[in-house]
Amino acid sequence: EVQLVQSGAEMKKPGESLKVSCKGSGYIFSNYWIAWVRQMPGKGLEWMGIIYPADSETTYSPSFQGQVTISADKSLNTAYLQWDSLRASDTAMYYCAIQYRRSDAFENWGQGTLVSVSS
Amino acid sequence: SYVVLQPPAVSMAPGETARISCGGDDIGTKSVHWYQQRSGQAPVLVITYDTDRPSGIPERFSGSNSGNTATLTISRVEAGDEADYYCQVWDSESDHRVFGGGTKLTVL
Repeated sequence: EVQLVQSGAEMKKPGESLKVSCKGSGYIFSNYWIAWVRQMPGKGLEWMGIIYPADSETTYSPSFQGQVTISADKSLNTAYLQWDSLRASDTAMYYCAIQYRRSDAFENWGQGTLVSVSS
Repeated sequence: SYVVLQPPAVSMAPGETARISCGGDDIGTKSVHWYQQRSGQAPVLVITYDTDRPSGIPERFSGSNSGNTATLTISRVEAGDEADYYCQVWDSESDHRVFGGGTKLTVL
């Protein structure tokens, strides 16, 4: 069974750093894209970026370029989403999702990681 | 970057047919995917490649795509269909994945 398991909820202060994770199982992790999707409270889904773990090829949405870093460790079957300096506006639910080919849908989703940033 | 637009909300009575649109420039030349997100849950894929239903999705869910509009159709709407629905495409020019803003389906 294909599964994506994300790390737990985080409460942080503005200016702090954070790295959340997404561990894949039940499929060949390296061979398929992992996307990150943001959902701010009461708002819609926003595609942040995507990584191909086999070679770490990464594409970012213009809205998130330079704001976050997406990475992957194929030896651990894990993808990461990282902030160097959090802001209150980063408060949101973050989902990872698998995409088998560029044109495919996001067929499998993680359970989400809630990030809360407040002083 | 490519933009897709959805109506913010649709309301239907049980048993009626709901149609949710997803508009974009020549969207008919792209593959459109649709997701259902119930309150407090992760999104679930309900239609892929314009018209295909993943395993486990009821036949009441169908899709179409032509010209500048893709449509998700939900026949015989039930209370359990109340959710937010999102369309999504891949913009091959930018290699960006794009979501519509979402449509809230309310079952009256």
